[in-house]
Amino acid sequence: ELKVEQNPLFLSMQEGKNYTIYCNYSTTSDRLYWYRQDPGKSLESLFVLLSNGAVKQEGRLMASLDTKARLSTLHITAAVHDLSATYFCAVDANFGNEKLTFGTGTRLTIIP
Amino acid sequence: GAVVSQHPSRVICKSGTSVKIECRSLDFQATTMFWYRQFPKQSLMLMATSNEGSKATYEQGVEKDKFLINHASLTLSTLTVTSAHPEDSSFYICSARGLALVNEQFFGPGTRLTVL
Repeated sequence: ELKVEQNPLFLSMQEGKNYTIYCNYSTTSDRLYWYRQDPGKSLESLFVLLSNGAVKQEGRLMASLDTKARLSTLHITAAVHDLSATYFCAVDANFGNEKLTFGTGTRLTIIP
Repeated sequence: GAVVSQHPSRVICKSGTSVKIECRSLDFQATTMFWYRQFPKQSLMLMATSNEGSKATYEQGVEKDKFLINHASLTLSTLTVTSAHPEDSSFYICSARGLALVNEQFFGPGTRLTVL
């Protein structure tokens, strides 16, 4: 059974600071996704990582994938209040059934 | 492009009634659609996978007779919660994957179900 764990579960940080959210998964995969969810809303796609060593950046967010370590990171640079949300990683375990297994989520609060 | 809609966005019903939720891909053909359930402050849990024209595949622990899924066309899947009870109250989210968009699922806006 594929397990996907995120760390930390809760993160409170000041504006302007940098931080990293970690996503570990338990089985081989080279397809990993990051999503943002605002309260009461559905998911917004942030990044699609499809190979080992993939790195993508959008604004203050950067995501990377290390398939050998079964680890993905979401790095936040110079955080601003608008980034407050819950962030999920999700893994497609390449079992041929296209299913995504979601991480536990990281609730991020940016304090002015 | 790649827009998925859900209807209704919010529904309140009495215990024992059935509720139908629609999921539509608006600008692409969805060969596969997925239904998720999310309880407050928790992650998304996959309920079932549906492919157009075939029976849905349910995840372990999900009652197929209670959560009826129909994927009758390449742009529409429906989830019917039969004989709903308060414990079925949740946020239901669908996603869709298309032939030309195989590396990504596109998520609908979700349906908030409250069973009284």
